[in-house]
Amino acid sequence: ILNVEQSPQSLHVQEGDSTNFTCSFPSSNFYALHWYRWETAKSPEALFVMTLNGDEKKKGRISATLNTKEGYSYLYIKGSQPEDSATYLCASPQGGSEKLVFGKGTKLTVNP
Amino acid sequence: KAGVTQTPRYLIKTRGQQVTLSCSPISGHRSVSWYQQTPGQGLQFLFEYFSETQRNKGNFPGRFSGRQFSNSRSEMNVSTLELGDSALYLCATAPTAGISGNTIYFGEGSWLTVV
Repeated sequence: ILNVEQSPQSLHVQEGDSTNFTCSFPSSNFYALHWYRWETAKSPEALFVMTLNGDEKKKGRISATLNTKEGYSYLYIKGSQPEDSATYLCASPQGGSEKLVFGKGTKLTVNP
Repeated sequence: KAGVTQTPRYLIKTRGQQVTLSCSPISGHRSVSWYQQTPGQGLQFLFEYFSETQRNKGNFPGRFSGRQFSNSRSEMNVSTLELGDSALYLCATAPTAGISGNTIYFGEGSWLTVV
């Protein structure tokens, strides 16, 4: 059974700080790694889908890297803003299907 | 273009009743999946439909069922509701099935409270 883990569980930073968090997944039978940002009362927003070892993707101040050989991905936020406060989820598809197995998320709070 | 639309957004049901939730995918999306989110648990996969066929199923009892219509809209049904079924139910859609690199888009969810 695919197990996806995220750390830390929660994080409090000050506005302007840069931060990063980790997603770990089994390195065998890897298909893809999805990152989502989920604000309260909204739908999870797709940030990145990463498939290749060494992939780096960027969207504004948010970027992500992927290491499929060792089974981890990092999400970085540069110069955090209060509007970045959200839960960040990673997920990996089981068996290459649309069945995403999610980590429990990292809850980021950015204090003004 | 319109996003994933789920109805109803909020509902309260009594133990033993049944409930039907609806999901309209993004136009052109043919894969529809359902997830359950409960406090303390991550998003748990319920099932996935593509071209009116269930392709994948999660580890939930038979009280949870779903279907997909020819226009790709999907419904999920929970019969004989239990208190533990209180959760946020999310629908997610993708253009096709079986492609790991698909971006999967989520609706805002249906909040179900069972009393």
